[in-house]
Amino acid sequence: DTEVTQTPKHLVMGMTNKKSLKCEQHMGHRAMYWYKQKAKKPPELMFVYSYEKLSINESVPSRFSPECPNSSLLNLHLHALQPEDSALYLCASSQDGTSGHSYTDTQYFGPGTRLTVL
Amino acid sequence: GEDVEQSLFLSVREGDSSVINCTYTDSSSTYLYWYKQEPGAGLQLLTYIFSNMDMKQDQRLTVLLNKKDKHLSLRIADTQTGDSAIYFCAEKGGATNKLIFGTGTLLAVQP
Repeated sequence: DTEVTQTPKHLVMGMTNKKSLKCEQHMGHRAMYWYKQKAKKPPELMFVYSYEKLSINESVPSRFSPECPNSSLLNLHLHALQPEDSALYLCASSQDGTSGHSYTDTQYFGPGTRLTVL
Repeated sequence: GEDVEQSLFLSVREGDSSVINCTYTDSSSTYLYWYKQEPGAGLQLLTYIFSNMDMKQDQRLTVLLNKKDKHLSLRIADTQTGDSAIYFCAEKGGATNKLIFGTGTLLAVQP
Protein backbone atom coordinates (compact mmCIF):
# COMPACT_ATOMS: atom_id res chain seq x y z
CA ASP A 1 0.00 0.00 0.00
CA THR A 2 1.58 3.29 -1.14
CA GLU A 3 -1.42 5.52 -0.48
CA VAL A 4 -1.34 9.02 0.88
CA THR A 5 -4.78 10.57 1.41
CA GLN A 6 -5.63 14.26 1.55
CA THR A 7 -8.80 16.09 2.58
CA PRO A 8 -10.60 18.06 1.40
CA LYS A 9 -10.22 17.61 -2.37
CA HIS A 10 -11.31 21.19 -3.01
CA LEU A 11 -11.44 24.20 -0.71
CA VAL A 12 -12.68 27.73 -1.35
CA MET A 13 -11.97 30.29 1.35
CA GLY A 14 -12.06 34.01 1.87
CA MET A 15 -9.05 36.02 2.95
CA THR A 16 -10.32 36.29 6.53
CA ASN A 17 -11.13 32.59 6.98
CA LYS A 18 -9.19 29.98 8.95
CA LYS A 19 -9.11 26.49 7.48
CA SER A 20 -6.95 23.36 7.65
CA LEU A 21 -5.71 20.84 5.11
CA LYS A 22 -5.20 17.27 6.27
CA CYS A 23 -2.91 14.49 5.10
CA GLU A 24 -2.69 10.89 6.28
CA GLN A 25 -0.51 7.88 5.48
CA HIS A 26 -0.42 4.37 6.93
CA MET A 27 2.82 3.16 5.37
CA GLY A 28 4.81 3.57 8.57
CA HIS A 29 6.69 6.49 7.04
CA ARG A 30 8.42 8.91 9.43
CA ALA A 31 8.90 11.84 7.03
CA MET A 32 6.06 13.96 5.64
CA TYR A 33 6.13 16.91 3.28
CA TRP A 34 3.97 19.83 2.10
CA TYR A 35 4.38 21.14 -1.44
CA LYS A 36 2.64 23.99 -3.27
CA GLN A 37 2.03 23.65 -7.01
CA LYS A 38 0.84 26.43 -9.30
CA ALA A 39 -0.70 25.60 -12.67
CA LYS A 40 1.76 24.24 -15.26
CA LYS A 41 4.66 24.47 -12.76
CA PRO A 42 6.59 21.86 -10.77
CA PRO A 43 5.83 21.39 -7.07
CA GLU A 44 7.67 23.70 -4.66
CA LEU A 45 8.68 22.37 -1.28
CA MET A 46 7.20 24.19 1.72
CA PHE A 47 7.83 22.08 4.84
CA VAL A 48 9.38 18.77 5.85
CA TYR A 49 8.70 16.86 9.05
CA SER A 50 11.02 14.05 10.06
CA TYR A 51 10.14 11.95 13.12
CA GLU A 52 7.39 14.48 13.93
CA LYS A 53 9.84 17.38 14.12
CA LEU A 54 9.94 20.22 11.62
CA SER A 55 13.23 19.79 9.78
CA ILE A 56 12.80 22.14 6.80
CA ASN A 57 10.81 25.36 6.42
CA GLU A 58 11.45 26.89 3.02
CA SER A 59 10.88 30.46 4.22
CA VAL A 60 7.11 30.02 3.97
CA PRO A 61 4.96 32.98 5.17
CA SER A 62 3.53 32.58 8.68
CA ARG A 63 -0.04 32.51 7.34
CA PHE A 64 0.79 28.83 6.61
CA SER A 65 1.28 26.84 9.80
CA PRO A 66 2.16 23.14 9.66
CA GLU A 67 1.44 20.63 12.39
CA CYS A 68 2.38 16.97 12.76
CA PRO A 69 0.22 15.50 15.58
CA ASN A 70 1.64 12.00 15.07
CA SER A 71 3.69 10.05 12.58
CA SER A 72 0.67 9.29 10.35
CA LEU A 73 -0.90 12.74 10.20
CA LEU A 74 0.15 16.09 8.81
CA ASN A 75 -1.94 19.26 8.88
CA LEU A 76 -1.53 22.63 7.23
CA HIS A 77 -3.38 25.44 9.00
CA LEU A 78 -4.32 28.40 6.83
CA HIS A 79 -5.12 31.92 8.04
CA ALA A 80 -5.41 35.28 6.30
CA LEU A 81 -4.41 33.89 2.91
CA GLN A 82 -4.04 35.95 -0.23
CA PRO A 83 -5.52 35.20 -3.69
CA GLU A 84 -2.00 34.37 -4.94
CA ASP A 85 -1.96 31.47 -2.47
CA SER A 86 -4.51 29.69 -4.66
CA ALA A 87 -2.82 26.49 -5.84
CA LEU A 88 -2.77 22.70 -5.56
CA TYR A 89 -1.32 21.69 -2.18
CA LEU A 90 0.35 18.31 -2.24
CA CYS A 91 1.33 16.14 0.69
CA ALA A 92 3.99 13.44 0.40
CA SER A 93 5.61 10.91 2.70
CA SER A 94 8.81 8.89 2.70
CA GLN A 95 10.48 6.39 4.96
CA ASP A 96 12.48 8.81 7.09
CA GLY A 97 13.63 11.90 5.16
CA THR A 98 17.18 10.72 4.64
CA SER A 99 18.86 8.97 1.76
CA GLY A 100 22.24 7.66 0.78
CA HIS A 101 23.97 5.61 -1.82
CA SER A 102 22.09 2.43 -0.94
CA TYR A 103 18.73 3.87 0.01
CA THR A 104 16.41 6.06 -2.02
CA ASP A 105 13.81 7.23 0.56
CA THR A 106 11.28 7.63 -2.26
CA GLN A 107 8.54 10.20 -1.78
CA TYR A 108 4.92 9.13 -2.39
CA PHE A 109 2.39 11.84 -3.10
CA GLY A 110 -1.26 12.31 -2.24
CA PRO A 111 -3.89 13.54 -4.73
CA GLY A 112 -3.70 17.12 -3.47
CA THR A 113 -6.13 19.75 -2.24
CA ARG A 114 -7.16 22.38 -4.79
CA LEU A 115 -7.31 25.65 -2.83
CA THR A 116 -9.00 28.80 -4.12
CA VAL A 117 -8.67 32.02 -2.11
CA LEU A 118 -11.24 34.69 -2.96
CA GLY B 1 23.24 25.16 -9.20
CA GLU B 2 20.33 22.73 -8.99
CA ASP B 3 18.37 23.53 -12.20
CA VAL B 4 16.59 20.61 -13.83
CA GLU B 5 15.33 21.29 -17.36
CA GLN B 6 12.87 19.53 -19.63
CA SER B 7 11.30 20.33 -22.97
CA LEU B 8 7.79 21.74 -22.49
CA PHE B 9 5.75 19.64 -24.89
CA LEU B 10 5.82 16.35 -26.80
CA SER B 11 3.15 15.03 -29.16
CA VAL B 12 3.10 11.42 -30.38
CA ARG B 13 0.67 9.07 -32.07
CA GLU B 14 -0.86 6.16 -30.20
CA GLY B 15 1.33 3.06 -30.57
CA ASP B 16 4.54 5.05 -31.17
CA SER B 17 7.38 5.36 -28.66
CA SER B 18 7.76 8.55 -26.62
CA VAL B 19 11.08 9.85 -25.35
CA ILE B 20 11.06 12.54 -22.67
CA ASN B 21 14.37 14.19 -21.88
CA CYS B 22 15.76 15.85 -18.78
CA THR B 23 19.05 17.59 -18.02
CA TYR B 24 20.32 18.35 -14.55
CA THR B 25 23.30 20.19 -13.15
CA ASP B 26 24.08 18.59 -9.78
CA SER B 27 26.64 15.90 -10.57
CA SER B 28 26.51 14.58 -6.99
CA SER B 29 22.83 13.55 -7.26
CA THR B 30 22.33 10.02 -5.96
CA TYR B 31 18.89 9.18 -7.30
CA LEU B 32 16.82 10.45 -10.22
CA TYR B 33 13.08 9.97 -10.51
CA TRP B 34 10.25 10.14 -13.01
CA TYR B 35 6.78 11.18 -11.83
CA LYS B 36 3.55 11.36 -13.86
CA GLN B 37 0.80 13.90 -13.15
CA GLU B 38 -2.61 13.60 -14.78
CA PRO B 39 -4.89 16.68 -14.89
CA GLY B 40 -6.11 17.68 -11.43
CA ALA B 41 -4.27 14.82 -9.74
CA GLY B 42 -1.23 14.31 -7.56
CA LEU B 43 2.15 12.95 -8.64
CA GLN B 44 2.47 9.25 -9.36
CA LEU B 45 5.92 7.72 -9.02
CA LEU B 46 6.77 5.87 -12.23
CA THR B 47 10.34 4.76 -11.68
CA TYR B 48 13.72 5.84 -10.36
CA ILE B 49 17.35 5.11 -11.12
CA PHE B 50 20.44 5.12 -8.95
CA SER B 51 23.25 7.30 -10.23
CA ASN B 52 25.71 4.42 -10.74
CA MET B 53 23.36 2.74 -13.23
CA ASP B 54 23.01 3.70 -16.87
CA MET B 55 19.76 1.94 -17.72
CA LYS B 56 16.67 0.60 -16.01
CA GLN B 57 13.73 -1.13 -17.68
CA ASP B 58 10.29 -1.65 -16.17
CA GLN B 59 7.66 -3.05 -18.55
CA ARG B 60 6.95 -0.30 -21.13
CA LEU B 61 9.29 2.18 -19.43
CA THR B 62 13.04 2.47 -20.07
CA VAL B 63 15.18 4.99 -18.21
CA LEU B 64 18.57 5.95 -19.62
CA LEU B 65 21.12 7.91 -17.61
CA ASN B 66 24.19 9.57 -19.10
CA LYS B 67 26.02 10.80 -16.03
CA LYS B 68 28.85 12.40 -18.01
CA ASP B 69 26.38 14.68 -19.83
CA LYS B 70 23.95 14.87 -16.84
CA HIS B 71 21.17 13.68 -19.16
CA LEU B 72 18.22 11.49 -18.16
CA SER B 73 15.55 10.17 -20.49
CA LEU B 74 12.31 8.23 -20.15
CA ARG B 75 11.18 6.09 -23.06
CA ILE B 76 7.58 4.88 -23.13
CA ALA B 77 7.02 2.04 -25.58
CA ASP B 78 3.66 1.58 -27.35
CA THR B 79 2.33 4.89 -26.01
CA GLN B 80 -1.38 4.87 -25.15
CA THR B 81 -3.90 7.71 -24.76
CA GLY B 82 -3.84 6.99 -21.01
CA ASP B 83 -0.20 8.06 -20.99
CA SER B 84 -1.23 11.65 -21.74
CA ALA B 85 -0.05 13.66 -18.72
CA ILE B 86 2.72 15.93 -17.48
CA TYR B 87 5.96 14.08 -16.72
CA PHE B 88 8.40 15.47 -14.16
CA CYS B 89 11.95 14.31 -13.66
CA ALA B 90 13.47 14.98 -10.24
CA GLU B 91 16.88 14.63 -8.65
CA LYS B 92 17.92 14.10 -5.07
CA GLY B 93 21.20 14.05 -3.27
CA GLY B 94 24.23 16.18 -3.33
CA ALA B 95 24.31 19.08 -0.94
CA THR B 96 20.79 18.55 0.37
CA ASN B 97 18.31 15.71 0.60
CA LYS B 98 15.58 17.71 -1.15
CA LEU B 99 13.79 16.59 -4.28
CA ILE B 100 14.46 19.06 -7.11
CA PHE B 101 11.86 18.84 -9.86
CA GLY B 102 12.28 19.55 -13.53
CA THR B 103 10.04 21.99 -15.36
CA GLY B 104 7.73 19.22 -16.61
CA THR B 105 6.92 17.88 -20.09
CA LEU B 106 3.35 17.71 -21.31
CA LEU B 107 2.89 14.51 -23.32
CA ALA B 108 -0.07 14.55 -25.71
CA VAL B 109 -0.99 11.23 -27.31
CA GLN B 110 -3.03 11.47 -30.52
CA PRO B 111 -5.37 8.55 -31.30
